[in-house]
Amino acid sequence: NAGVTQTPKFRVLKTGQSMTLLCAQDMNHEYMYWYRQDPGMGLRLIHYSVGEGTTAKGEVPDGYNVSRLKKQNFLLGLESAAPSQTSVYFCASRAGQGARTPQHFGDGTRLSIL
Amino acid sequence: GQNIDQPTEMTATEGAIVQINCTYQTSGFNGLFWYQQHAGEAPTFLSYNVLDGLEEKGRFSSFLSRSKGYSYLLLKELQMKDSASYLCAVLPSGNTPLVFGKGTRLSVIA
Repeated sequence: NAGVTQTPKFRVLKTGQSMTLLCAQDMNHEYMYWYRQDPGMGLRLIHYSVGEGTTAKGEVPDGYNVSRLKKQNFLLGLESAAPSQTSVYFCASRAGQGARTPQHFGDGTRLSIL
Repeated sequence: GQNIDQPTEMTATEGAIVQINCTYQTSGFNGLFWYQQHAGEAPTFLSYNVLDGLEEKGRFSSFLSRSKGYSYLLLKELQMKDSASYLCAVLPSGNTPLVFGKGTRLSVIA
């Protein structure tokens, strides 16, 4: 009954450090997404994937990279963390693009960049 | 372009009814979703509308008018636990991801 699992749940980084956030889903979903959520800004799409081996840019892709080597995993990388990347990061997955397939979210990763 | 508007904040009394409105302009339309998000938690799916009209799910109902680019979420018999943000999201055409509004923060008071 896992659904969408994000690792880690919390992390504190220093400016310039790198890290990878992992998202894993066990629902065999084709589509996966990475969002960031900041106060007053709502959910903003960073990158997304419509299937294994594919990635596409969202609304705020700068400073992030992603990979979807396996269907169940979607990785978000920060090569050189900046304080502006302090945020809550949510991963989500969706079975397909059909209107009747809701998007399921992970519990989020709270990331602080000092 | 894609744009979704919903009120930033609303306050309602326990036991009452509240309507949260959402207007949208998107490139194509394949459906509209409502999500609930409690503070510090992930969004959870509430409802979706594909065709015009009202969809009812217990205390929650969602309405859609595609010609007007308008939807609302109706919450009846409000409870304190309904205090949360409510996100309106539209699915455009093609492979375009869901477009989310910034959310409406609802406070339920005694």
